[in-house]
This record gives sequence, C-alpha cells and structure tokens, in this order.
Amino acid sequence: AQKVTQAQTEISVVEKEDVTLDCVYETRDTTYYLFWYKQPPSGELVFLIRRNSFDEQNEISGRYSWNFQKSTSSFNFTITASQVVDSAVYFCALSEWMNNGRAGNQFYFGTGTSLTVIP
Amino acid sequence: DTEVTQTPKHLVMGMTNKKSLKCEQHMGHRAMYWYKQKAKKPPELMFVYSYEKLSINESVPSRFSPECPNSSLLNLHLHALQPEDSALYLCASSQESGQNYGYTFGSGTRLTVV
Repeated sequence: AQKVTQAQTEISVVEKEDVTLDCVYETRDTTYYLFWYKQPPSGELVFLIRRNSFDEQNEISGRYSWNFQKSTSSFNFTITASQVVDSAVYFCALSEWMNNGRAGNQFYFGTGTSLTVIP
Repeated sequence: DTEVTQTPKHLVMGMTNKKSLKCEQHMGHRAMYWYKQKAKKPPELMFVYSYEKLSINESVPSRFSPECPNSSLLNLHLHALQPEDSALYLCASSQESGQNYGYTFGSGTRLTVV
C-alpha cells in the first residue's frame, strides 16, 4: 500500500489562479512528520515545509498555505495567485520512526504532482 | 552555508567505465543519503550514512559503491553500470538520521549510461 498518495498526477492552471495539491498519507505511528518539497526543472529538491503529527495548526507562508487534517490523514498544499515560477513537480513526504520493526527514520515520497502554470 | 553541493552536474559514461559522484555539505549534518530518481518518479533511497558509517543499504547492486571519507563528504563510485542505471542521482543530508528535520537535497547529477 502507498504510504503517501498524491492522486493528482498533473495539474494546469492559468496564472493568478489558486491551486490545491492533495496529499493523503498512511501511518500507524503516533509521532511522524510530513513534508512538502518542490522540484523545478533544474532538478533540485527544495524543502518547503515540515509539520509534526502533534501540530495541526494550518500554516501560511506568503502565497503558500498548508492544511493538515489528522482526521482524514491529509496534508494539502495551496498556492494562492499562482505564478509561472511555481511550475514544478511537488512531492509530499512522510517520515516515521518505525517500519516493520526496523528503527530509524523512514522517509516516503508520494509520486508527485506536476504543476504547470500557464501565463 | 546551507547547501549540498553535488559534482558533476552531468555525466555520460560507458558501461565499462569507472566514475565517481561527489557530494559535500558544510552544515554539520551527521547523516547523508544517496537517492536515485528516474524520470517522472519520486526519489528512491539507495544508501544512508550516519556518523560516517553505512547504516542502510536498500539492496543496491554492488556496481554502486558508496564511501564517506569524512563528515562533510559522500561519494558514490560507479563501475560497470547498465543503461537502466541512467537517472538523476540526488545527495541529501540531515542533522541526524534518527530525527525528522527533513532533508537538504543537492541539485543532483544527471547520469547517462551508454
């Protein structure tokens, strides 16, 4: 089973539109961390946000906002007033401590959502 | 300095060549990682080094050989690769392997095996 599901493979929006990228995760741990990374065409993975499982406060950073809902195991990412520079692949990721009895930081990426912002 | 630097950015090698990928960070991070990313796929973990010791090898073929000479450097030695090994190879670091601070990734080496 997928640990992190990003159901939207590709999204296209027109510049200045708002867009929400969905992320659903699965874990049995009570302590875990969720992340969003941006990967522009240049290839580098850029860290956007980290959220721990005990902090369900939504977060806003400029045009970016994140909605963490433990009840639905979702950690969605919204870009407000999208810009062409937002075009990239966005990965949601989960980090949990234990998996199958092997201790250590296990990091799971979703399959990514490719966002294209059309000028 | 909050970067992970990878060299070279691009590499083309033949199946009989021996080459090395390099990764460097000066953030004092004690965990370093190699990931492999195929086109339109998420990164896949290859190796984890924690305090300069190999802690995780995700059943990677022996034609990939990691090395951690010191706490700032991580190498990936390549030998007798196959065309299917062509991919983006990403290095990452984090404060600790057992903590959840998230990774800082490098920009990757785009490898083509011919």
